[in-house]
Amino acid sequence: DAKTTQPTSMDCAEGRAANLPCNHSTISGNEYVYWYRQIHSQGPQYIIHGLKNNETNEMASLIITEDRKSSTLILPHATLRDTAVYYCIVYGSGNTGKLIFGQGTTLQVKP
Amino acid sequence: GAVVSQHPSWVICKSGTSVKIECRSLDFQATTMFWYRQFPKQSLMLMATSNEGSKATYEQGVEKDKFLINHASLTLSTLTVTSAHPEDSSFYICSASPNTRPGSTDTQYFGPGTRLTVL
Repeated sequence: DAKTTQPTSMDCAEGRAANLPCNHSTISGNEYVYWYRQIHSQGPQYIIHGLKNNETNEMASLIITEDRKSSTLILPHATLRDTAVYYCIVYGSGNTGKLIFGQGTTLQVKP
Repeated sequence: GAVVSQHPSWVICKSGTSVKIECRSLDFQATTMFWYRQFPKQSLMLMATSNEGSKATYEQGVEKDKFLINHASLTLSTLTVTSAHPEDSSFYICSASPNTRPGSTDTQYFGPGTRLTVL
């Protein structure tokens, strides 16, 4: 499985965009980039995923570089409720459905 | 998105007793579910893959006789922590995908988790 690298923690001002980076330099062609977040004492919540094109949904945008070695999750207008641990996971057909979690990025949204 | 529930949300038990945790997919069927464990201030650790109608497969280092998994239907998997001890106290989380096929990359959805405290 491709390994991901994320900053341990980040701060963001409420109302501003939060940009969370992820490096996945060993990603292979059939592996997707998935983002989940975990708010304290809850199960992880799916945010978004992509293969090579940029993606957007009601929660966030995902920007994947052309070489697919890194990506950025963008929360366009962060709120206090977005304070959570954000996990970037590379996940492909060879994983038999397993998601392997790294340490993630703790995002603190401040008023 | 698809909804996964867990029951109970929290449980306290005495050392030496067994505890059963249920994971249900509410609006879809799942031939495969996954069980994770999370200790305080740590990330999720995959424990096992629960397969409907067949034996679960366990990750390296996870005791299969300690953590019994039963996936009796397409919407229910159970994890039983047998002879629980204080070191088994943890946050147990399950996940499932609406369209899990061998080798698929379908989105996994997670339950809310079960907090187990063993006294």
